[in-house]
Amino acid sequence: AQSVTQPDIHITVSEGASLELRCNYSYGATPYLFWYVQSPGQGLQLLLKYFSGDTLVQGIKGFEAEFKRSQSSFNLRKPSVHWSDAAEYFCAVVSSNDYKLSFGAGTTVTVRA
Amino acid sequence: SAVISQKPSRDICQRGTSLTIQCQVDSQVTMMFWYRQQPGQSLTLIATANQGSEATYESGFVIDKFPISRPNLTFSTLTVSNMSPEDSSIYLCSVVPLQNTGELFFGEGSRLTVL
Repeated sequence: AQSVTQPDIHITVSEGASLELRCNYSYGATPYLFWYVQSPGQGLQLLLKYFSGDTLVQGIKGFEAEFKRSQSSFNLRKPSVHWSDAAEYFCAVVSSNDYKLSFGAGTTVTVRA
Repeated sequence: SAVISQKPSRDICQRGTSLTIQCQVDSQVTMMFWYRQQPGQSLTLIATANQGSEATYESGFVIDKFPISRPNLTFSTLTVSNMSPEDSSIYLCSVVPLQNTGELFFGEGSRLTVL
């Protein structure tokens, strides 16, 4: 069965500083991986996805993520955070044959001025 | 892409009542799913809504509690039956468009509070 671990429950970062959110997955085959963001009171918005090919993927809002098969990781990064990046971030893996998403527990990002 | 409309966006319900949530998509989709997000928690898959047949439920979820309908390729409903405060959650509809790029789209969610 597929699963996702997000080791960091809460991260606080200063505005303008870099951000990295960790994600480790467990999946037997080549995974489809996603990062979603959920702002307070909002739905889920897709930041980026990895299916195959280039292991460094670019997403919206200046985010990028790197797929490392050897480490079973798909960490999310942003070079310089903005106050509007304060939100809940979810890493997810999906089975390519049934599209059932398994989500990590989420990481709450707080941005301080 | 797919634009998903969920109704109601939020509601306050009394214990013991039932509420039906609607999910309407602006285009035909292959797969539709219902997720639950309990307060402060991540998302958990409730079931896959199958067109014209019974939904496929995940472990821990049963049809009597969460009956689901999907009469066509663009619409589904989820009913939360005989509600208790533990059912207070955000319920989200998710779809895979017919032109499948592997991406799943989510509705804004329906936030239910059960008193």
